[in-house]
Amino acid sequence: KNEVEQSPQNLTAQEGEFITINCSYSVGISALHWLQQHPGGGIVSLFMLSSGKKKHGRLIATINIQEKHSSLHITASHPRDSAVYICAARVGNTDKLIFGTGTRLQVFP
Amino acid sequence: EAGVTQSPTHLIKTRGQQATLRCSPISGHTSVYWYQQALGLGLQFLLWYDEGEERNRGNFPPRFSGRQFPNYSSELNVNALELEDSALYLCADGERGRWNTGELFFGEGSRLTVL
Repeated sequence: KNEVEQSPQNLTAQEGEFITINCSYSVGISALHWLQQHPGGGIVSLFMLSSGKKKHGRLIATINIQEKHSSLHITASHPRDSAVYICAARVGNTDKLIFGTGTRLQVFP
Repeated sequence: EAGVTQSPTHLIKTRGQQATLRCSPISGHTSVYWYQQALGLGLQFLLWYDEGEERNRGNFPPRFSGRQFPNYSSELNVNALELEDSALYLCADGERGRWNTGELFFGEGSRLTVL
C-alpha cells in the first residue's frame, strides 16, 4: 500500500462542475503539497498546507491532520483545468517528499 | 528570475547506451532534486544534491548517478540503459526556505525514451 493515496485516478467533468480530488496519507507529515502537471510534463506548485484551508482563485485545498486526509476542490471547472493533479506529503521535518500517483482530470466544454 | 531549467527536452537512446540529463536550479540556489516519473507511476525520488555534494539517493541502482557543478547545475547520468528507464525525469529546486513556505519549483522535465 502506498504511503500517499489519491482518488480518483481518473476524473472527467463537464465545464462548470465542482471537482473534488482526495489525498490520504499514512505517514507523519509537516506539510502537504498539491501540484498540477500539464500534459507536456511541467509541474506547477498550487498549494502547501499544514492545517486548515487555503484558497486561490477557483482552487481550494483543505487538510484534516487528525484524519490524515486532504482535498483539492475546483469550482466552476474549465477545460483549461485539465491536467494531472498530484499531492505530495512532506515527511516530518525532512526534505523527503512522498508523491501520490496523481489524478488525471479532463474537463469537457 | 529564470526558473528551473532542464535539457534536453527529449532524448532517445538504445538499450545499453548512456544518457546524460542536465538541470539548473533557480539562480543563486544551491540544491537540486531529481525525480523519475515512469509511465503510470508516481514521481520517485532519485537524487539530492546540495552545495556540490550528494546528500541522499532513492532506491535506484548504482547505474543512476550524477554530480553537481560549482555553479550548482547538475547532471543525471544513467548508464547501461534499460527499457524500463524510459520515463520523464524531473528536476526540482531544493531551496529549503522555499519548501518551508510552500514554493516548489520544478523544471519542465526531460523525456527519455529507451528503444
